[in-house]
Amino acid sequence: NAGVTQTPKFRVLKTGQSMTLLCAQDMNHEYMYWYRQDPGMGLRLIHYSVGEGTTAKGEVPDGYNVSRLKKQNFLLGLESAAPSQTSVYFCASTDGGGGGKNIQYFGAGTRLSVL
Amino acid sequence: GQQVMQIPQYQHVQEGEDFTTYCNSSTTLSNIQWYKQRPGGHPVFLIQLVKSGEVKKQKRLTFQFGEAKKNSSLHITATQTTDVGTYFCAAYTGTASKLTFGTGTRLQVTL
Repeated sequence: NAGVTQTPKFRVLKTGQSMTLLCAQDMNHEYMYWYRQDPGMGLRLIHYSVGEGTTAKGEVPDGYNVSRLKKQNFLLGLESAAPSQTSVYFCASTDGGGGGKNIQYFGAGTRLSVL
Repeated sequence: GQQVMQIPQYQHVQEGEDFTTYCNSSTTLSNIQWYKQRPGGHPVFLIQLVKSGEVKKQKRLTFQFGEAKKNSSLHITATQTTDVGTYFCAAYTGTASKLTFGTGTRLQVTL
């Protein structure tokens, strides 16, 4: 059982380049999330999804887009990368609803540098 | 929006000393979760507290939820080097779909 898998693990971009971060979960979770983590800032929510085909903005959505075409996948896109987007990106998923504890399971993270 | 504040931001202890981190919210929380992130790793769920005044223990870790459900604490007794990492509290907001994380407390333990 792989849990939550993020690809790639590391990436270096030049300003203005685009890229897509992929998150895949095999736990049949309804809810999926993208966070960024910067030193001293904790985890900040970028976008999230409460089900296939749905997305919603989080705390810091500007400069990012997301898609949830399949229940198990949640993609985070950077259309024109900026140095301010240098960060560690984490994907997480949870079963949501009233069934479980709504524990969030995190991927290993993607370390992105924008030069 | 809801804010969850954590103090201290950083603490350095000698192995064997105790450690406590505190989490405070401006609003009443339905529940609170705690996560641990090892250096270079990802956050991992530790525990969830739901009831007012609830206290839960996991070996050397003691978690408390305040009577007013606006604050929580994590206490580690006799720290070990394996306790090194950042501890986050977190609470679901709004429609119970968004988890708001505290800023975290980074714990360093030296021999």
